[in-house]
Amino acid sequence: KAGVTQTPRYLIKTRGQQVTLSCSPISGHRSVSWYQQTPGQGLQFLFEYFSETQRNKGNFPGRFSGRQFSNSRSEMNVSTLELGDSALYLCASSPDNTDTQYFGPGTRLTVL
Amino acid sequence: AQSVTQPDIHITVSEGASLELRCNYSYGATPYLFWYVQSPGQGLQLLLKYFSGDTLVQGIKGFEAEFKRSQSSFNLRKPSVHWSDAAEYFCAVGAGDNDMRFGAGTRLTVKP
Repeated sequence: KAGVTQTPRYLIKTRGQQVTLSCSPISGHRSVSWYQQTPGQGLQFLFEYFSETQRNKGNFPGRFSGRQFSNSRSEMNVSTLELGDSALYLCASSPDNTDTQYFGPGTRLTVL
Repeated sequence: AQSVTQPDIHITVSEGASLELRCNYSYGATPYLFWYVQSPGQGLQLLLKYFSGDTLVQGIKGFEAEFKRSQSSFNLRKPSVHWSDAAEYFCAVGAGDNDMRFGAGTRLTVKP
């Protein structure tokens, strides 16, 4: 089976812009979670989608949003980008509710 | 909510030496516990997981971990470290809802 794929791998934006990141889960996995990884804050949970519904949400401002499509692919959107949004954004898919998550390679977002 | 502490930010071991990475968790119920490894610029790879049953779990790449409920610990071990094991290691705890909490990570350096 192909692993979790994320596009794009690298992205450079300027403050105030918005960005959309994409994640394709492993075939058959219906849960997709998003994480933000920064040197200062480490790995932080953003949100999780299951069957097109957001089930869990971390402690991030409303500028961070996401959605999931009927084929389980997910997108994450960040509006009004800030310098502090520069991070590695990781997507993970899971086949069930046992927290066994398989991670993609991430999207490196740099905000200038 | 669950939380994880990895007391060691950085560990250096000689190639061929044994390794133990510490992980302590906080969670009211029986947690789902994981160890992940991350190479520079890459996503996270699942090494092993514990849900229930035998408290000593075997993972990939020769790693094992032992769940000790009395100590709220889930330490990762490897009897003989290889240079390719140099990476960052993350312990994570889940509650079965795909909202995982990660430790800050332990960076492993392997000396020749």
